[in-house]
Amino acid sequence: EPEVTQTPSHQVTQMGQEVILRCVPISNHLYFYWYRQILGQKVEFLVSFYNNEISEKSEIFDDQFSVERPDGSNFTLKIRSTKLEDSAMYFCASSEVQGVAGYTFGSGTRLTVV
Amino acid sequence: AQSVTQLGSHVSVSEGALVLLRCNYSSSVPPYLFWYVQYPNQGLQLLLKYTSAATLVKGINGFEAEFKKSETSFHLTKPSAHMSDAAEYFCAVSDRNFQGGKLIFGQGTELSVKP
Repeated sequence: EPEVTQTPSHQVTQMGQEVILRCVPISNHLYFYWYRQILGQKVEFLVSFYNNEISEKSEIFDDQFSVERPDGSNFTLKIRSTKLEDSAMYFCASSEVQGVAGYTFGSGTRLTVV
Repeated sequence: AQSVTQLGSHVSVSEGALVLLRCNYSSSVPPYLFWYVQYPNQGLQLLLKYTSAATLVKGINGFEAEFKKSETSFHLTKPSAHMSDAAEYFCAVSDRNFQGGKLIFGQGTELSVKP
């Protein structure tokens, strides 16, 4: 069964450093998403991406965050200057069709900011 | 705005007992509703989804959920719990008319299964 692949599975970074979280969506999917889950809290929507542009972003997704699809396979989330409160599990998802009916989530990247 | 409330952050049942995880939603438009399961150190796996077909939805691993519009509920049930069902369960809602396909999640319910 096709999978959404996220790397790395766990990343530790120092406060103020830039991090890039990588995702390889399912090859024929066209819609891409990032979510995050702070430890002990609910999963929260960050951003959706289609046709090389952001479709929607949440209030969490401020100027410190950016997304990119640099080539035909990768979808990245960049945090420019990490803060302690960015520590969370970050999930990538992709969908073949518009809307959530066809979502597939990756297994996540646990980001720890120290 | 849409929202999801999961009643009970932690539910404990005995192996073989009925599992009932509660989810109530708020939506101004007809919703899509989902249940996801998260095993320790793993991602989110779709259990089942309601997208306006039958109100009783069957999913994987013997789980099912019933959409009740009058009660704005989408409770998850399984007749007989297995030890392997121990995990975190998330209810989620989406506006079916929304172009971007954003999911709104509940707080999650941790299910423990006692031998």
